[in-house]
Amino acid sequence: DTEVTQTPKHLVMGMTNKKSLKCEQHMGHRAMYWYKQKAKKPPELMFVYSYEKLSINESVPSRFSPECPNSSLLNLHLHALQPEDSALYLCASSQAGGSTDTQYFGPGTRLTVL
Amino acid sequence: QKEVEQDPGPLSVPEGAIVSLNCTYSNSAFQYFMWYRQYSRKGPELLMYTYSSGNKEDGRFTAQVDKSSKYISLFIRDSQPSDSATYLCAMGYSSGYSTLTFGKGTMLLVSP
Repeated sequence: DTEVTQTPKHLVMGMTNKKSLKCEQHMGHRAMYWYKQKAKKPPELMFVYSYEKLSINESVPSRFSPECPNSSLLNLHLHALQPEDSALYLCASSQAGGSTDTQYFGPGTRLTVL
Repeated sequence: QKEVEQDPGPLSVPEGAIVSLNCTYSNSAFQYFMWYRQYSRKGPELLMYTYSSGNKEDGRFTAQVDKSSKYISLFIRDSQPSDSATYLCAMGYSSGYSTLTFGKGTMLLVSP
């Protein structure tokens, strides 16, 4: 099973709202990733967690706050977003190290900020 | 020069055609090479991955890597309308986690 699940599939929020995106994998992977993808662009890395510790923050604004409660779960907390933050948010996971460290992506959450 | 170059297309072919998708790269540190297929408004789906130069075949798909030329290809035989999607090449290396660099993606349109 190479499935990464994400909820919700779609999210519409106002600029003053607080919401969270959730990601789950049961492949025993120890690295999890958040990406942002705009239309007709490749995914853009936001955060990396390796063994539940934040390893990379790609200079993401503080209105995005990641959380890794355990090795299977990854959350992205959203607060005071801007309309330009509207995008497809993708979660991915991988084994964390080694020559077979391929990333598997979830279906994404399509976020619209009004 | 960007680390990974990929022609964005669109590439339009008739059903049954052989499709060739390509990427070039400049970073010799890349350890593994992937092709993802992404349908509109969906997450990328891992199609093929390889770690060495040569060919890897899976059904109608063949991935080819030439590390000496820093060039990777994906061939699709007997293309189907359901193959219409954006194909992203990605290259990476590991250091406790995977670091991927993506191409821009090539949009493929297969007409019946």
